[in-house]
Amino acid sequence: GENVEQHPSTLSVQEGDSAVIKCTYSDSASNYFPWYKQELGKRPQLIIDIRSNVGEKKDQRIAVTLNKTAKHFSLHITETQPEDSAVYFCAVNFNKFYFGSGTKLNVKP
Amino acid sequence: NAGVTQTPKFHILKIGQSMTLQCTQDMNHNYMYWYRQDPGMGLKLIYYSVGAGITDKGEVPNGYNVSRSTTEDFPLRLELAAPSQTSVYFCASSWGGKNTEAFFGQGTRLTVV
Repeated sequence: GENVEQHPSTLSVQEGDSAVIKCTYSDSASNYFPWYKQELGKRPQLIIDIRSNVGEKKDQRIAVTLNKTAKHFSLHITETQPEDSAVYFCAVNFNKFYFGSGTKLNVKP
Repeated sequence: NAGVTQTPKFHILKIGQSMTLQCTQDMNHNYMYWYRQDPGMGLKLIYYSVGAGITDKGEVPNGYNVSRSTTEDFPLRLELAAPSQTSVYFCASSWGGKNTEAFFGQGTRLTVV
């Protein structure tokens, strides 16, 4: 099956700083790369996604970049706020979803 | 639309007992998935289904069974529960298998004692 590696496992930033989370994958056939945010005790929810024909996508303070040749993609959060504190999961999709191990982001006020 | 609905939200099961976790979706999605999430860990795929009557194993299928008799329902069966099956279980669905978002249920927190 697909191997998805996510780094770092924990990330602590000061409010207003940027945060970057990186994922690598093994199956070159994967063509859909979503990012999910999971708040404590809640379900994962999609925050942004990118398809293989696009190199970058932005939505306000969050962005995702994709390098299909190198098989890695990254989540960028700018101007972080305390409500960004959560666990973030990357995923790759080809018939089924494989998730990374998660990054616990802590934004300090 | 209610989306993906799971029942129960919480359950305590004794070792060796069996139970079924229910999952239903009202979005007419073809694909449905069951994941488990251990504390502080990621999501591991247990089983998935690409349509009614079709199921397949994921990464961690041992100790579980599924069925998909209708498009809407995808129950997960635990036989002979073990403490290692203590986890939060998430059901999810998506319209297709590629390039489509997965929607998650609210989860079932299961404790086996």
